[in-house]
Amino acid sequence: GDSVTQMEGPVTLSEEAFLTINCTYTATGYPSLFWYVQYPGEGLQLLLKATKADDKGSNKGFEATYRKETTSFHLEKGSVQVSDSAVYFCALLPNTGNQFYFGTGTSLTVIP
Amino acid sequence: EPEVTQTPSHQVTQMGQEVILRCVPISNHLYFYWYRQILGQKVEFLVSFYNNEISEKSEIFDDQFSVERPDGSNFTLKIRSTKLEDSAMYFCASRGRRQGGKNEQFFGPGTRLTVL
Repeated sequence: GDSVTQMEGPVTLSEEAFLTINCTYTATGYPSLFWYVQYPGEGLQLLLKATKADDKGSNKGFEATYRKETTSFHLEKGSVQVSDSAVYFCALLPNTGNQFYFGTGTSLTVIP
Repeated sequence: EPEVTQTPSHQVTQMGQEVILRCVPISNHLYFYWYRQILGQKVEFLVSFYNNEISEKSEIFDDQFSVERPDGSNFTLKIRSTKLEDSAMYFCASRGRRQGGKNEQFFGPGTRLTVL
């Protein structure tokens, strides 16, 4: 069935370091892929998304490219800030149905 | 900016008790969802609701669970007889009509349920 496997955390980085959080998926057909972020005490917020192969989603300096050949959607940011400290969830939405499949979440802490 | 709200933020209950988790979706949204996350595990889909009926549910959503939209604004999840393994974070989400293939769901902050 459809599923998402996400890099386990927690991840601790110094400010301005490069970030990669790995995400791979299993799905039939052509799902849409998402990254959600949860800041402390808040709900899940959409960070970026990509709806077809080779699309790149980007927002707030974060990027992820939909790679069908490697079934991956890795999240990257060139220079993290303390304010990026949060839990990041990779998610998949099949092209039929409206149920999201989430990864386990990766906790990121950025230290000054 | 409109947002999904959930109450309470934390609910503690005794095993066997009934709990009702409440959500206020974004006002013009038509599709409503519940997800849950057991500590350290994946966020899992429970149920989707549209036009006053369940449109899809997972294996987790057994007879002890029910959902309701009692008025024009609230969307509730009831657990009739809580078990220890129901302890989790419960997220509500809503979405409007699909536009241009976009079907983003907007999530609330979650209710942490602790069953003792």
